[in-house]
Amino acid sequence: EVQLVESGGGSVQPGGSLRLSCAASGLTLSNYPMSWVRQAPGKGLEWVSALSVIDGRTYYADSVKGRFTISRDSPKNTLYLQMNSLRADDTAVYYCARDLGRADYWGRGTLVTVSS
Amino acid sequence: DIQMTQSPSTLSASVGDRVTITCRASQSISSWLAWYQQKPGKAPKLLIYKASDLESGVPSRFSGSGSGTEFTLTISSLQPDDFATYYCQRYNSYPYTFGQGTKLEIK
Repeated sequence: EVQLVESGGGSVQPGGSLRLSCAASGLTLSNYPMSWVRQAPGKGLEWVSALSVIDGRTYYADSVKGRFTISRDSPKNTLYLQMNSLRADDTAVYYCARDLGRADYWGRGTLVTVSS
Repeated sequence: DIQMTQSPSTLSASVGDRVTITCRASQSISSWLAWYQQKPGKAPKLLIYKASDLESGVPSRFSGSGSGTEFTLTISSLQPDDFATYYCQRYNSYPYTFGQGTKLEIK
């Protein structure tokens, strides 16, 4: 059974940093592209970032470009999202998902709250 | 970036009804479109991919159609478990974008 478990969320002040983790079981992350998707409270889904498996290329939404970094630790089978210079509008539940274009496996999400 | 527009934003229907949700892309995305169902406090669930392919385990009352810029999700006979929010998502190229969502409510 495939499981994706996000962690690392929490409360942080504007300008601060957090690193989210997505630990996988039943799935070898290095074999698949992976994405992060977020959802602000009461709002819709927003794609945030993706990591390609073919060439390790990374992709970002304009709203996070230059502030967020996606990466992967293959031995730990874990995906990361390093988030710097956080703003209030980054407040959201962050999900990791297997990205076959369509996202077929999702984690339960981790809540990030950016507030002073 | 290519924008995705869903309609309606809210839909009220009854158990047994046939409902259709529309998603329009601001330019052609061929058939690179997925549909998701999301319930409060839960992660989205993939229903349809490549515009019309049913994800394994998804009931056959869900179907998708369309290509290019106009797509539809149809639920042939609403069941109580289907009341949720539905999103379309294009994945022809990065950055992916989602529609704003359609909340399906009980009439």
